[in-house]
Amino acid sequence: EAQVTQNPRYLITVTGKKLTVTCSQNMNHEYMSWYRQDPGLGLRQIYYSMNVEVTDKGDVPEGYKVSRKEKRNFPLILESPSPNQTSLYFCASSANLRGGGYTFGSGTRLTVV
Amino acid sequence: GESVGLHLPTLSVQEGDNSIINCAYSNSASDYFIWYKQESGKGPQFIIDIRSNMDKRQGQRVTVLLNKTVKHLSLQIAATQPGDSAVYFCAENTPFNQFYFGTGTSLTVIP
Repeated sequence: EAQVTQNPRYLITVTGKKLTVTCSQNMNHEYMSWYRQDPGLGLRQIYYSMNVEVTDKGDVPEGYKVSRKEKRNFPLILESPSPNQTSLYFCASSANLRGGGYTFGSGTRLTVV
Repeated sequence: GESVGLHLPTLSVQEGDNSIINCAYSNSASDYFIWYKQESGKGPQFIIDIRSNMDKRQGQRVTVLLNKTVKHLSLQIAATQPGDSAVYFCAENTPFNQFYFGTGTSLTVIP
């Protein structure tokens, strides 16, 4: 089944403890992206990647890192999480941004205390 | 950043009625638009898209209308069903290949 898989689905962590949210897609898509979703603010892009070893900042990149060493994987790294990074995170991939847009994962609910 | 907004945050309709969800976008150069549906606990799911060289596109029970003059999109759902209850987002793709999403409209279908 064609899908974007994120792990974990739920995570509670403490301020300052590094964490990684994994994302993998099995559709051979070139484009991948991370979004965070907050009430009243909708989906905001954190980072995106047009291809392997090519990553760029989105609208809200502060406090996050990404890497794209392989086409299928696009992990999101929080080096020192803070409470304002408590949010619902979505990974997404696309073969053609102008032909179908993104396929989204099921989301990761992150709480930083 | 770009601004994609929705006129109404919530919408309730009777089962069987038609639903209309509206969206305003801000970048007149955006040339591709998508409507997504997000059910509780799930990621957004593609519904229908439209390019800027069109003003209407129809799918199964859904129609998207694009008015570039006033930078407005709408999603029409015919014969709304309980399974249509969800949050609906519009998204615009700018010339820089950046997608910007609206804040969403929550649609509730009353049986």
